[in-house]
Amino acid sequence: QSMLTQPPSASGTPGQRVTISCYGSTSNIGRNGVDWYRHLPGTAPKLLIYNDNSQWSAGVPARFFGSKSGTSASLAISGLQSEDEADYYCAAWDDSLSGYVFGTGTKVTVL
Amino acid sequence: VQVVESGGGLVKPGESLRLSCAVSGLTFSDAWMSWVRQAPGKGLEWVGRIKARPAGGTIDYAAPVKGRFILSRDDSQNTIYMQMSSLKSEDTAVYFCAYVGRAPSILNVWGQGAPVTVSS
Repeated sequence: QSMLTQPPSASGTPGQRVTISCYGSTSNIGRNGVDWYRHLPGTAPKLLIYNDNSQWSAGVPARFFGSKSGTSASLAISGLQSEDEADYYCAAWDDSLSGYVFGTGTKVTVL
Repeated sequence: VQVVESGGGLVKPGESLRLSCAVSGLTFSDAWMSWVRQAPGKGLEWVGRIKARPAGGTIDYAAPVKGRFILSRDDSQNTIYMQMSSLKSEDTAVYFCAYVGRAPSILNVWGQGAPVTVSS
């Protein structure tokens, strides 16, 4: 099962902007929407962004912003807060695999 | 919407195990559901998806589990099941059940996970 590629880590100081990239292919990101999840170990993952740039609910702060271009996508977190420390995963449906593929995950650290 | 997994445990390689996922707070017969797992120290991995019967009830599996895992549903019990057979050590993971809030696989409600350990 192929996976989408993300940097293993990203970091910033409180208030800074952090961007996480997600690289895929024409069969997944190139054809379908990208979703973003936040996961704290030992808890249930949480959907943040769906279909590239839509916030799932009012519970998702507006400082989380998703974007996509071609076969890559990004999640930007502005105004970084200590509570943003978590693992972040992109995901997309893959038409060739007929399956949902997750990214390799990015651990965000607030310095 | 609430999702609760059960049935996790310790099994030996080659053995079988069945996980259950009870769902409440929605019209279950219309619900598409998925399983996702996370092996120790690894990232999230999609395992499979079962559509609602009105949508054809189609089931899709990830390549690593195809032929060994079987997803099913009992709409009368608001529950989906995942029968896992010929288990391998690499199947050791926390298995999450999740509700597909929007097609094709946008997972907006997750359970807390059921740990499965495959070890001799």
